[in-house]
Amino acid sequence: TQLLEQSPQFLSIQEGENLTVYCNSSSVFSSLQWYRQEPGEGPVLLVTVVTGGEVKKLKRLTFQFGDARKDSSLHITAAQPGDTGLYLCAGGGSNYKLTFGKGTLLTVNP
Amino acid sequence: EAQVTQNPRYLITVTGKKLTVTCSQNMNHEYMSWYRQDPGLGLRQIYYSMNVEVTDKGDVPEGYKVSRKEKRNFPLILESPSPNQTSLYFCASSWARGPYEQYFGPGTRLTVT
Repeated sequence: TQLLEQSPQFLSIQEGENLTVYCNSSSVFSSLQWYRQEPGEGPVLLVTVVTGGEVKKLKRLTFQFGDARKDSSLHITAAQPGDTGLYLCAGGGSNYKLTFGKGTLLTVNP
Repeated sequence: EAQVTQNPRYLITVTGKKLTVTCSQNMNHEYMSWYRQDPGLGLRQIYYSMNVEVTDKGDVPEGYKVSRKEKRNFPLILESPSPNQTSLYFCASSWARGPYEQYFGPGTRLTVT
């Protein structure tokens, strides 16, 4: 069974700070996706990375896929209250299923 | 607007009373899936469907049924709900090819008393 562990589980920071959250596994994934979920809503896809070492930027968010395709990180620069939410990573394997991590709950205080 | 819709959004029911949660997508996606989300356990897949008339079990299928008679619809059926099925349920759809980027519905909060 493939597992994805996310850390930290909870993160509370002040507006303007930088932060990094992690998604780690002992398994290799063919792709890694990051989602953000706001209270009362379904997760929304932020980015997909498929190549080992790949880095993608989405405004203040930077996503990296590990060289061995077993881990990923999400870095947010100058966090804003609108970044508050549950960040989920999901790994795609050779079958049709995604494996989801349990998420990092981020709170950005004004 | 491309979207996945679920109904109802909130449901309170009693043990043993059969219920159906509907899911519909307008993106012509082949792949549809049901998840449940519980505190401390994250998102877990219940059932998925690769196309019409093709369904398969996910990680936690016990107590649930699904059907895929039309490409756009994928209802979740609880024939005899129990309190341990109290949860937040999400339907999702995607193209039937990697990396299976999921488009999620807004969720259905189910309480079984």
